[in-house]
Amino acid sequence: QSVLTQPPSVSGAPGQRVTISCTGSSSNFGANHDVHWYQQLPGSAPKLLIYVNNNRPSGVPDRFSGSKSGTSASLAISGLQAEDEADYFCQSYDNALGGWVFGGGTKLTVL
Amino acid sequence: EVQLVQSGAEVRKPGESLKISCQGSGYTFTNFWIGWVRQMPGKGLEYIGIMHAGDSETRYSPSLQGRVTISVDKSTSTAFLQWSSLKASDTAMYYCVRPSSAYDFLLSELDYWGQGTLVTVSS
Repeated sequence: QSVLTQPPSVSGAPGQRVTISCTGSSSNFGANHDVHWYQQLPGSAPKLLIYVNNNRPSGVPDRFSGSKSGTSASLAISGLQAEDEADYFCQSYDNALGGWVFGGGTKLTVL
Repeated sequence: EVQLVQSGAEVRKPGESLKISCQGSGYTFTNFWIGWVRQMPGKGLEYIGIMHAGDSETRYSPSLQGRVTISVDKSTSTAFLQWSSLKASDTAMYYCVRPSSAYDFLLSELDYWGQGTLVTVSS
């Protein structure tokens, strides 16, 4: 069981907006550690999507946005496109474990 | 261009040893930490450990310490993950990753990932 909790799946039609939640605890998000998000396309390695809560690396469309508040974080994807169909993972640092913790991943299906 | 290139897929039997590699290029290898993450079949990602490529300081996940060994060869800018006695439960895709910050290496994002090495352990 993953330290960070994500819904197993979400779906949306092209053009719609979806959000993916990531719930942590007092030893990670609650300790003011940042959240980072990764996109894993089928058959590929994860790729950095959002860093330090709400920052996009160069080349990531502004359709992707992130937020964090208290012990929860979320990733929003607006204007859904077929190419967004992938697994999405949240990641942070946990004081109790002394290392990186990840969410279990959320599979996004574009209907 | 920063790249992390991993060695190819491996198949081993339980009890056998294995060493997989990750070669970095496009940046000063010894200035950064390099970590390992695994993804078991159909599951999420799990932290294994991390090493500073310059001075070999190492940290391991408490749940995996003693099961794996991380090392680096500075002369070839290559990091390694090895097992002395594999178990079926070690079957997974293994990724090497580079934290973006050399200072806040456990707090920063993982900005570069290797392509993954699939390790299959089966009798």
